[in-house]
Amino acid sequence: QTVVTQEPSLTVSPGGTVTLTCASSTGAVTSGYYPNWFQQKPGQAPRALIYSTSNKHSWTPARFSGSLLGGKAALTLSGVQPEDEAEYYCLLYYGGGWVFGGGTKLTVL
Amino acid sequence: QVQLQESGPGLVKPSETLSLTCTVSGYSISSGYYWGWIRQPPGKGLEWIGSIFHSGSTYYNPSLKSRVTLSVDTSKNQFSLRLSSVTAADTAVYYCASGSSTSCPTAYWGQGTLVTVSS
Repeated sequence: QTVVTQEPSLTVSPGGTVTLTCASSTGAVTSGYYPNWFQQKPGQAPRALIYSTSNKHSWTPARFSGSLLGGKAALTLSGVQPEDEAEYYCLLYYGGGWVFGGGTKLTVL
Repeated sequence: QVQLQESGPGLVKPSETLSLTCTVSGYSISSGYYWGWIRQPPGKGLEWIGSIFHSGSTYYNPSLKSRVTLSVDTSKNQFSLRLSSVTAADTAVYYCASGSSTSCPTAYWGQGTLVTVSS
């Protein structure tokens, strides 16, 4: 059973920078896992932010960026806004299927 | 832009089959893309259920594979989920989603529909 692990919770101050990570139980995350990132606010459907490690959708704010960092996929928010408070999920590809991470609850305080 | 809308019963009895349909607008299913289902139990995280490519190739979560069937109806521009032998553990918000490729399988999401399994 493949497990994708994210930080359960993080707190950041408005205007600050925070990095969320996504690790795989199978080993280092590489570009071949095509990491995707999603934002979900209470009562709403998830919204796609990043695909294939670092590519942004047309609707993704510029302050969001994706990368690989120390064997994990990473989502960095720079210049955090109050509206960025949400749950964030990563998604990894395992050759024929996908697995979501458990999610990171980001608090802006 | 692709738009997705889930439909189906909000209440299913234990041991019965859950059936949901996703109606697609803004794009023709037969033109390409992956078409998938994701669920989220109340207060919990997201779980990928499965995806079907426009050609009919299917990909299922191994933990659900024995109970899941995905299909596409190109004439109606819809795709569907069937989950058999449901239990209370299958109670969740079910989302349909789509994306252009393996690297971007879920760019577009429906609003989700709550399915409760209860007698």
